[in-house]
Amino acid sequence: SQELEQSPQSLIVQEGKNLTINCTSSKTLYGLYWYKQKYGEGLIFLMMLQKGGEEKSHEKITAKLDEKKQQSSLHITASQPSHAGIYLCGAVYNYGQNFVFGPGTRLSVLP
Amino acid sequence: NAGVTQTPKFQVLKTGQSMTLQCAQDMNHNSMYWYRQDPGMGLRLIYYSASEGTTDKGEVPNGYNVSRLNKREFSLRLESAAPSQTSVYFCASSEAKGWNIQYFGAGTRLSVL
Repeated sequence: SQELEQSPQSLIVQEGKNLTINCTSSKTLYGLYWYKQKYGEGLIFLMMLQKGGEEKSHEKITAKLDEKKQQSSLHITASQPSHAGIYLCGAVYNYGQNFVFGPGTRLSVLP
Repeated sequence: NAGVTQTPKFQVLKTGQSMTLQCAQDMNHNSMYWYRQDPGMGLRLIYYSASEGTTDKGEVPNGYNVSRLNKREFSLRLESAAPSQTSVYFCASSEAKGWNIQYFGAGTRLSVL
């Protein structure tokens, strides 16, 4: 079974709308990364969260990690076509351990 | 700023053929990784190299071999390709294993007929 779940699996929104993508772990995380992938390209690092309750923002994207360090959300404000792609969360459960990735959320933004 | 470079970008193989996927990074990173990405399953770790001279199995190593040629290069070999190995393969690197940002190549799309 997947250690990391993401919801929704896919999302279609109209340009200008806000949206949220969730990443849920079955156990407490050491820390979490968010990546974005465009078709035919590799993963681009967005943000990393390590402390419970931490929140980070970059341009119109805000990521949060809950206090229990088992759930993270990625919120996009006033979405644009350039936000389209696959968003993946990746977790580390211990400092020296390898990443575990979620299955991804495919986002389409209609102009 | 090349980052992580993978070759080739696309490949079609027949069942039983062999091939090597190449990966090179120019960030002086110690750790390198090979992942495969399949629909609905996210990225799964095939092999990794925590430092030059070491390699270890990841989650799905069967059917693959790797070589850490030097600090820059980490190759993935399919000795006898099978249709189940049809996937998108990504190479990544990081300063060290674990809690460190991983930087990814653009991927290799492999089809095994």
